[in-house]
Amino acid sequence: AQTVTQSQPEMSVQEAETVTLSCTYDTSENNYYLFWYKQPPSRQMILVIRQEAYKQQNATENRFSVNFQKAAKSFSLKISDSQLGDTAMYFCAFMKVNAGKSTFGDGTTLTVKP
Amino acid sequence: DAGVIQSPRHEVTEMGQEVTLRCKPISGHDYLFWYRQTMMRGLELLIYFNNNVPIDDSGMPEDRFSAKMPNASFSTLKIQPSEPRDSAVYFCASSLIQGVNSGNTIYFGEGSWLTVV
Repeated sequence: AQTVTQSQPEMSVQEAETVTLSCTYDTSENNYYLFWYKQPPSRQMILVIRQEAYKQQNATENRFSVNFQKAAKSFSLKISDSQLGDTAMYFCAFMKVNAGKSTFGDGTTLTVKP
Repeated sequence: DAGVIQSPRHEVTEMGQEVTLRCKPISGHDYLFWYRQTMMRGLELLIYFNNNVPIDDSGMPEDRFSAKMPNASFSTLKIQPSEPRDSAVYFCASSLIQGVNSGNTIYFGEGSWLTVV
């Protein structure tokens, strides 16, 4: 079974600075997907970024980028130029190709301070 | 697309009452998931369907919980009788699994906030 570990329960960052959230996972699969979801105080789960394991290039979405290290089974999220609206809980998730369901980490609560 | 639609958004009910949560997945999606989120237990997968068929209900906490998906555009999660410990946010989510190069992303509804008093 796959496991996803987010070792940082809480983090904080000053507005406009950069922060990196860590995620590691355990799997014997070669093809899979990794995701970062954001859950603001409204509790809506919002997809932030997605990475296909077969792609070596790290995914980027505006201020959000990942550092995907397949051999190390590491998938960190970097938020550049942090904004107050980035304050949220962030979940890392893993999905085998064609598996249907995902495995989620326990989440990291990020607070962006003015 | 309208996204995953859940109702009700908020419900407060008394212990012992029946609660029915409803979900309309994104059109064309072939997987539907019910999650529960609490402070104590985090995000838990309760059950998921593929093409309207329940695939894994091992996360359903007990017999008081049941879920149905009568067609591709509608699912319900029912709690009968409800208890205070069922208070949580219940999320419905859907996805389209299309193979390696597309899809495979789970999209969540806004959640149903349930309070059992």
